[in-house]
Amino acid sequence: AQRVTQPEKLLSVFKGAPVELKCNYSYSGSPELFWYVQYSRQRLQLLLRHISRESIKGFTADLNKGETSFHLKKPFAQEEDSAMYYCALRRAGGNTPLVFGKGTRLSVIA
Amino acid sequence: SAVISQKPSRDICQRGTSLTIQCQVDSQVTMMFWYRQQPGQSLTLIATANQGSEATYESGFVIDKFPISRPNLTFSTLTVSNMSPEDSSIYLCSVGRGVDTEAFFGQGTRLTVV
Repeated sequence: AQRVTQPEKLLSVFKGAPVELKCNYSYSGSPELFWYVQYSRQRLQLLLRHISRESIKGFTADLNKGETSFHLKKPFAQEEDSAMYYCALRRAGGNTPLVFGKGTRLSVIA
Repeated sequence: SAVISQKPSRDICQRGTSLTIQCQVDSQVTMMFWYRQQPGQSLTLIATANQGSEATYESGFVIDKFPISRPNLTFSTLTVSNMSPEDSSIYLCSVGRGVDTEAFFGQGTRLTVV
């Protein structure tokens, strides 16, 4: 079975401080990992996927298969980063549904 | 990318009634997925809708309660039947375009059952 765990329901940081949103997964096969973000009153949108190894809006995430983790990091938080962040897993193949973690609400304090 | 239009965007319904949610995609896709997001919770998969065959439901969801249609490769509907206040949620449709691609989401339908 696939499972995604985001241990923090709420994370508050000061503007300019580093951010790390934790995500651990459980899956016996080869997964695809994603971070989705939902800003206030907007639809869910992709932030990062592990396969592209890119940095979006200053965020990065590295897949650690040994620790089965895909933590989201940003060195300096901005107020506009305040949002709900969901880590998600998908079986390799593309046409399979996502399994989501419970989400972490990031609040960046000025 | 894929642009997904969902309607209605929100509705307030009486218990015991049914609501049909429509999901229109701007391009052909093989699979469409329906999720539910209960208040303060994450997204939970309801079912996978494949064109030309019956939807596949996840544990805890049944066809009598959540009938799904998938008449073509760009459209699907989800009906929430015989609603109760516990059905108050956001319902989202989603599509994937293939290997190594992101999933796209509709804006969601916020349902309140009174």
